[in-house]
Amino acid sequence: QKEVEQDPGPLSVPEGAIVSLNCTYSNSAFQYFMWYRQYSRKGPELLMYTYSSGNKEDGRFTAQVDKSSKYISLFIRDSQPSDSATYLCAMRPNFGNEKLTFGTGTRLTIIP
Amino acid sequence: SQTIHQWPATLVQPVGSPLSLECTVEGTSNPNLYWYRQAAGRGLQLLFYSVGIGQISSEVPQNLSASRPQDRQFILSSKKLLLSDSGFYLCAWSVGQKGNSPLHFGNGTRLTVT
Repeated sequence: QKEVEQDPGPLSVPEGAIVSLNCTYSNSAFQYFMWYRQYSRKGPELLMYTYSSGNKEDGRFTAQVDKSSKYISLFIRDSQPSDSATYLCAMRPNFGNEKLTFGTGTRLTIIP
Repeated sequence: SQTIHQWPATLVQPVGSPLSLECTVEGTSNPNLYWYRQAAGRGLQLLFYSVGIGQISSEVPQNLSASRPQDRQFILSSKKLLLSDSGFYLCAWSVGQKGNSPLHFGNGTRLTVT
Protein backbone atom coordinates (compact mmCIF):
# COMPACT_ATOMS: atom_id res chain seq x y z
CA GLN A 1 0.00 0.00 0.00
CA LYS A 2 1.29 3.44 -0.92
CA GLU A 3 1.69 6.01 1.86
CA VAL A 4 -0.39 8.49 -0.13
CA GLU A 5 -3.21 7.51 -2.47
CA GLN A 6 -4.65 9.87 -5.05
CA ASP A 7 -7.13 9.06 -7.80
CA PRO A 8 -5.33 9.81 -11.08
CA GLY A 9 -8.52 10.70 -12.92
CA PRO A 10 -8.90 12.10 -15.47
CA LEU A 11 -11.66 14.25 -14.05
CA SER A 12 -13.74 16.45 -16.37
CA VAL A 13 -16.25 18.97 -15.06
CA PRO A 14 -18.18 21.85 -16.68
CA GLU A 15 -17.07 25.42 -16.12
CA GLY A 16 -18.54 26.92 -12.97
CA ALA A 17 -18.87 23.61 -11.13
CA ILE A 18 -17.36 22.86 -7.73
CA VAL A 19 -14.42 20.50 -7.98
CA SER A 20 -13.41 18.16 -5.17
CA LEU A 21 -9.95 16.57 -5.22
CA ASN A 22 -8.88 14.12 -2.54
CA CYS A 23 -5.99 12.18 -1.07
CA THR A 24 -5.83 9.53 1.60
CA TYR A 25 -2.73 8.61 3.57
CA SER A 26 -1.58 5.96 6.00
CA ASN A 27 1.20 7.65 8.03
CA SER A 28 -0.27 9.25 11.16
CA ALA A 29 2.94 11.29 11.62
CA PHE A 30 2.07 13.57 8.68
CA GLN A 31 1.38 17.07 9.98
CA TYR A 32 1.94 19.40 7.03
CA PHE A 33 -0.22 19.13 3.94
CA MET A 34 0.21 20.81 0.60
CA TRP A 35 -1.58 21.04 -2.72
CA TYR A 36 0.32 21.79 -5.91
CA ARG A 37 -1.01 22.65 -9.33
CA GLN A 38 1.01 21.54 -12.33
CA TYR A 39 0.35 22.73 -15.87
CA SER A 40 1.60 20.63 -18.75
CA ARG A 41 5.38 20.82 -19.18
CA LYS A 42 5.77 23.08 -16.13
CA GLY A 43 6.92 22.55 -12.56
CA PRO A 44 4.43 22.14 -9.70
CA GLU A 45 3.19 25.41 -8.22
CA LEU A 46 2.27 25.60 -4.54
CA LEU A 47 -1.45 26.32 -4.14
CA MET A 48 -2.31 25.63 -0.53
CA TYR A 49 -0.37 24.78 2.60
CA THR A 50 -1.97 23.68 5.86
CA TYR A 51 -0.88 22.37 9.22
CA SER A 52 -2.72 19.62 11.08
CA SER A 53 -6.51 19.42 10.85
CA GLY A 54 -8.99 22.06 9.73
CA ASN A 55 -9.86 24.22 6.77
CA LYS A 56 -7.97 26.93 4.94
CA GLU A 57 -9.47 29.17 2.30
CA ASP A 58 -7.73 31.24 -0.36
CA GLY A 59 -9.98 32.82 -2.96
CA ARG A 60 -11.78 30.05 -4.86
CA PHE A 61 -9.68 27.35 -3.20
CA THR A 62 -10.36 25.58 0.10
CA ALA A 63 -8.06 22.97 1.60
CA GLN A 64 -9.49 20.62 4.19
CA VAL A 65 -7.62 18.18 6.43
CA ASP A 66 -9.25 15.42 8.48
CA LYS A 67 -6.46 13.73 10.41
CA SER A 68 -8.81 11.34 12.18
CA SER A 69 -9.77 9.88 8.81
CA LYS A 70 -6.35 10.47 7.22
CA TYR A 71 -8.05 12.30 4.38
CA ILE A 72 -7.37 15.65 2.74
CA SER A 73 -9.36 17.55 0.14
CA LEU A 74 -9.01 20.51 -2.16
CA PHE A 75 -12.18 22.27 -3.28
CA ILE A 76 -12.28 24.63 -6.25
CA ARG A 77 -15.34 26.87 -6.49
CA ASP A 78 -16.55 28.48 -9.71
CA SER A 79 -14.09 26.41 -11.71
CA GLN A 80 -12.50 28.03 -14.76
CA PRO A 81 -10.85 26.54 -17.87
CA SER A 82 -7.56 27.94 -16.52
CA ASP A 83 -7.90 25.51 -13.59
CA SER A 84 -7.30 22.64 -16.01
CA ALA A 85 -4.09 21.03 -14.75
CA THR A 86 -2.78 18.14 -12.70
CA TYR A 87 -3.20 18.56 -8.95
CA LEU A 88 -0.71 16.93 -6.59
CA CYS A 89 -1.13 16.47 -2.87
CA ALA A 90 1.95 16.30 -0.68
CA MET A 91 2.59 15.85 3.02
CA ARG A 92 5.35 15.50 5.57
CA PRO A 93 5.90 14.97 9.32
CA ASN A 94 6.78 17.76 11.74
CA PHE A 95 10.38 16.90 12.46
CA GLY A 96 13.80 17.16 10.93
CA ASN A 97 14.09 17.55 7.23
CA GLU A 98 11.83 14.65 6.35
CA LYS A 99 11.08 14.48 2.70
CA LEU A 100 7.72 15.29 1.22
CA THR A 101 5.57 12.35 0.19
CA PHE A 102 3.56 13.09 -2.96
CA GLY A 103 0.43 11.66 -4.43
CA THR A 104 0.61 10.70 -8.09
CA GLY A 105 -1.67 13.57 -9.12
CA THR A 106 -5.20 14.01 -10.44
CA ARG A 107 -5.60 15.33 -13.97
CA LEU A 108 -8.45 17.86 -14.10
CA THR A 109 -10.12 19.33 -17.18
CA ILE A 110 -12.66 22.15 -16.94
CA ILE A 111 -14.96 22.13 -19.97
CA PRO A 112 -16.04 25.60 -21.20
CA SER B 1 11.13 37.55 -3.64
CA GLN B 2 12.68 34.17 -4.25
CA THR B 3 13.06 32.71 -7.71
CA ILE B 4 14.44 29.45 -9.00
CA HIS B 5 16.02 28.95 -12.38
CA GLN B 6 16.53 25.65 -14.14
CA TRP B 7 18.11 25.01 -17.47
CA PRO B 8 17.92 23.79 -20.11
CA ALA B 9 14.15 23.38 -20.49
CA THR B 10 14.52 20.45 -22.88
CA LEU B 11 17.42 18.21 -23.73
CA VAL B 12 17.93 15.31 -26.09
CA GLN B 13 21.05 13.26 -25.45
CA PRO B 14 22.36 9.95 -26.85
CA VAL B 15 22.90 6.94 -24.63
CA GLY B 16 26.34 7.00 -23.06
CA SER B 17 26.75 10.77 -23.20
CA PRO B 18 27.33 12.90 -20.08
CA LEU B 19 24.71 15.08 -18.43
CA SER B 20 24.78 18.33 -16.50
CA LEU B 21 21.61 20.07 -15.35
CA GLU B 22 21.88 23.26 -13.36
CA CYS B 23 19.62 24.95 -10.87
CA THR B 24 20.07 28.25 -9.08
CA VAL B 25 17.97 29.99 -6.46
CA GLU B 26 17.82 33.73 -5.90
CA GLY B 27 16.49 35.78 -3.02
CA THR B 28 17.26 33.46 -0.12
CA SER B 29 20.27 32.17 1.79
CA ASN B 30 21.17 28.64 2.81
CA PRO B 31 18.18 27.00 1.13
CA ASN B 32 17.54 23.29 1.18
CA LEU B 33 17.82 22.10 -2.41
CA TYR B 34 16.26 19.07 -4.07
CA TRP B 35 16.33 17.14 -7.33
CA TYR B 36 13.21 15.21 -8.27
CA ARG B 37 12.34 13.10 -11.27
CA GLN B 38 8.77 12.86 -12.48
CA ALA B 39 7.63 9.96 -14.60
CA ALA B 40 4.15 9.72 -16.09
CA GLY B 41 1.74 8.01 -13.69
CA ARG B 42 4.42 7.46 -11.08
CA GLY B 43 4.53 10.76 -9.25
CA LEU B 44 7.57 12.62 -8.01
CA GLN B 45 10.65 10.67 -7.01
CA LEU B 46 13.20 12.38 -4.78
CA LEU B 47 16.70 11.82 -6.15
CA PHE B 48 18.95 14.05 -4.04
CA TYR B 49 18.68 16.74 -1.42
CA SER B 50 21.17 19.12 0.15
CA VAL B 51 21.03 21.16 3.34
CA GLY B 52 24.28 23.02 2.69
CA ILE B 53 27.33 23.43 0.46
CA GLY B 54 28.94 20.07 -0.21
CA GLN B 55 26.26 18.18 1.73
CA ILE B 56 24.38 15.78 -0.53
CA SER B 57 22.02 13.00 0.46
CA SER B 58 21.09 10.40 -2.12
CA GLU B 59 17.68 8.82 -1.97
CA VAL B 60 17.91 6.37 -4.82
CA PRO B 61 21.02 4.48 -6.01
CA GLN B 62 21.35 5.18 -9.71
CA ASN B 63 23.35 6.46 -12.58
CA LEU B 64 23.15 10.06 -11.39
CA SER B 65 25.05 12.27 -8.97
CA ALA B 66 24.52 15.73 -7.52
CA SER B 67 26.81 18.50 -6.35
CA ARG B 68 26.36 21.82 -4.58
CA PRO B 69 29.41 23.96 -5.32
CA GLN B 70 27.80 27.18 -4.07
CA ASP B 71 25.08 28.01 -1.55
CA ARG B 72 22.37 28.56 -4.14
CA GLN B 73 23.56 26.29 -6.94
CA PHE B 74 22.64 22.63 -7.37
CA ILE B 75 23.87 20.46 -10.22
CA LEU B 76 22.65 17.07 -11.40
CA SER B 77 25.14 15.03 -13.39
CA SER B 78 25.76 11.74 -15.07
CA LYS B 79 28.90 10.37 -16.67
CA LYS B 80 27.02 8.05 -19.03
CA LEU B 81 23.30 8.35 -19.64
CA LEU B 82 21.02 5.33 -19.88
CA LEU B 83 17.72 5.11 -21.72
CA SER B 84 16.02 4.79 -18.33
CA ASP B 85 17.31 8.25 -17.35
CA SER B 86 14.72 9.87 -19.61
CA GLY B 87 12.20 11.90 -17.67
CA PHE B 88 11.18 15.27 -16.33
CA TYR B 89 13.72 16.59 -13.81
CA LEU B 90 12.68 19.16 -11.27
CA CYS B 91 14.76 21.26 -8.91
CA ALA B 92 13.14 22.61 -5.75
CA TRP B 93 14.05 24.67 -2.71
CA SER B 94 12.82 25.19 0.84
CA VAL B 95 14.11 26.96 3.93
CA GLY B 96 14.42 25.91 7.54
CA GLN B 97 15.09 22.60 9.21
CA LYS B 98 11.60 21.59 10.19
CA GLY B 99 8.58 20.37 8.31
CA ASN B 100 6.88 23.75 8.23
CA SER B 101 8.41 24.87 4.96
CA PRO B 102 6.86 23.90 1.65
CA LEU B 103 8.89 23.14 -1.45
CA HIS B 104 9.01 25.51 -4.39
CA PHE B 105 9.77 24.04 -7.78
CA GLY B 106 11.46 25.23 -10.91
CA ASN B 107 9.95 24.63 -14.34
CA GLY B 108 11.91 21.49 -14.96
CA THR B 109 14.08 19.95 -17.66
CA ARG B 110 12.58 17.38 -19.99
CA LEU B 111 15.35 14.91 -20.79
CA THR B 112 15.06 12.41 -23.61
CA VAL B 113 17.82 9.85 -23.93
CA THR B 114 17.91 8.30 -27.40
